[in-house]
Amino acid sequence: DAKTTQPPSMDCAEGRAANLPCNHSTISGNEYVYWYRQIHSQGPQYIIHGLKNNETNEMASLIITEDRKSSTLILPHATLRDTAVYYCIVRVNNYGQNFVFGPGTRLSVLP
Amino acid sequence: GVTQSPTHLIKTRGQQVTLRCSSQSGHNTVSWYQQALGQGPQFIFQYYREEENGRGNFPPRFSGLQFPNDSSELNVNALELDDSALYLCASSLPLGSAGGTDTQYFGPGTRLTVL
Repeated sequence: DAKTTQPPSMDCAEGRAANLPCNHSTISGNEYVYWYRQIHSQGPQYIIHGLKNNETNEMASLIITEDRKSSTLILPHATLRDTAVYYCIVRVNNYGQNFVFGPGTRLSVLP
Repeated sequence: GVTQSPTHLIKTRGQQVTLRCSSQSGHNTVSWYQQALGQGPQFIFQYYREEENGRGNFPPRFSGLQFPNDSSELNVNALELDDSALYLCASSLPLGSAGGTDTQYFGPGTRLTVL
């Protein structure tokens, strides 16, 4: 079973920041938080991951709470091409450890 | 990046199918996932250095191979209607070569339809 809880859907206006929440209250100390997204009928695309510090890359920012029980993925200036299903996954980084995908959040960026 | 072939495939119930994947350059771990319509991907198995290195809740008629050049195959025997899905391959860097993480990079998938 997925160890995360995400809202099933969200809307965001084009050009505004999209803030996607994720609850992972049972996360262990050695589990990372990963975010992937999947545009319709394509393979999942890696976005970002982190352990306990906030992370930023060219795609997004990841904000992890101090107790690590929740996180937020921030797309700073959403575009129509960001419309996708966003998956939040917690995982230990060891060989043989797969990604357990839940239903994710369907983000719709509106013009 | 990760490539998969074919893009689409139609088979009939009871047949066998082989799906192929080429990992991203330098990656020696490959994982396969099944994604039914409207659901998230489900882990089938993972291969590392040509050995199975973890398996999800899939029957033995789902089998795999990994080759020395890090390409991989997923074989499914005795196809059932419920095997209709998008099959995804993901490859990852060796642990220790990228900050100690095992981020998986996915291919575009093969859409299998079983009639």
